[in-house]
Formats: sequence, C-alpha cells, structure tokens
Amino acid sequence: TQLLEQSPQFLSIQEGENLTVYCNSSSVFSSLQWYRQEPGEGPVLLVTVVTGGEVKKLKRLTFQFGDARKDSSLHITAAQPGDTGLYLCAGGLLTDSWGKLQFGAGTQVVVTP
Amino acid sequence: SQTIHQWPATLVQPVGSPLSLECTVEGTSNPNLYWYRQAAGRGLQLLFYSVGIGQISSEVPQNLSASRPQDRQFILSSKKLLLSDSGFYLCAWSLTGGETGELFFGEGSRLTVL
Repeated sequence: TQLLEQSPQFLSIQEGENLTVYCNSSSVFSSLQWYRQEPGEGPVLLVTVVTGGEVKKLKRLTFQFGDARKDSSLHITAAQPGDTGLYLCAGGLLTDSWGKLQFGAGTQVVVTP
Repeated sequence: SQTIHQWPATLVQPVGSPLSLECTVEGTSNPNLYWYRQAAGRGLQLLFYSVGIGQISSEVPQNLSASRPQDRQFILSSKKLLLSDSGFYLCAWSLTGGETGELFFGEGSRLTVL
C-alpha cells in the first residue's frame, strides 16, 4: 500500500489555466518534497517543506505543507507547456531514518498550448 | 558541483542473462546511495540503499543485488534476469547527515527483459 496518496493521477489542462495536485497520508512526515520528472529522465527536486503550515513559492508554483504534516499540495498558476511532467511527492517518516523517503505514485500533468 | 551518472541508459537483455548497472557520483564524499525502480509513468520503489562502502540494505526481496565497492560507486546486479525485472532503474544520492534526505537522481537506465 502507498503511504502517500497523490491525486489526481492524471491532469490535462490548457495553457494559462491553474491546477492543483494533492499528496495525502495518514502518517506524519518530518519533511516532504516535490519532484518533477520528464520522460526518460530522473526526477528533479523542486522544493522541500519541513514546517507544518509552511508555504513556499517557486515562480508560478506554490507548495503547502499541512499543519499536521500529513499532507501537501502543489498549485501551478497560469500553467505553461513546460510544466508538463510527472509530479512526485516524497516524504521522510518520523519513524524512519531520514534518508529513506516514501514516494507517492505520481500525478501526470499535461499542459497543451 | 555534484554530479551523478549511471549507465547504460538503455539495455535489452534475454531472460536468464546477467545484469550490471553502474552509478558514480562526483563532487561529494561519503554520500548515501540508492537504487530505485519505477514502473511506467508511476512512483518509485526503493530497492537498495547504502550508507557506506560495503554497507547495503535491501528493501524488498527480489532477484537483484547491489554492491558499493568504492565510496562513490554503486552497482546493481543480477545473475539471471526475469521478465519482471524490466523497468526504469534510477540511482540517486543524498547528503550524509542531511536533515531532509533530499535525493539527486541519475539519468536512469531503461531495462527490457525479453
């Protein structure tokens, strides 16, 4: 079973629209990360959030960590075709050694011109 | 700056043949090293991780093994491949002692077992 549940699994939108991807769990995480992966390549780290309630902005991307540190969201404003990719959330459980991350199954985002 | 490379990028192997995927990291010392497998377009499954030379932890029972003969070298092997070993394999590293375990991935190796 997946400790981190991502939704939706697939999202197709037009350029200029907004989108939100969710990452939920019943477990508490010491930190949570978001990665973006393009076909045939390794995932690339976008952001790490460590404090409950934390909000981080990276240009048009806004990341939020839930107050209870069990969930996170990624919001993209005015999406562009370059935002297309597989978005993965990953977290370090409080009960695990810090180096072992739990990954969600990913959300495939397609932004069409 | 740190870099990570893995090879080969693509591999097509018959069932029962051996496997060796190699990964090296440059620009850092004593990194934590990881091998992940990814099903098509989906999340990552941790296969092995290593916190030092010769120290390997396996996360799932499988037909694969890992070795770390040098500080910045991580190898994924199999003596006899199965059809179910097909997939996209990713090597990654993280800082030792880092609080958040952020991962930096290689380019990936696509393995097809026929």
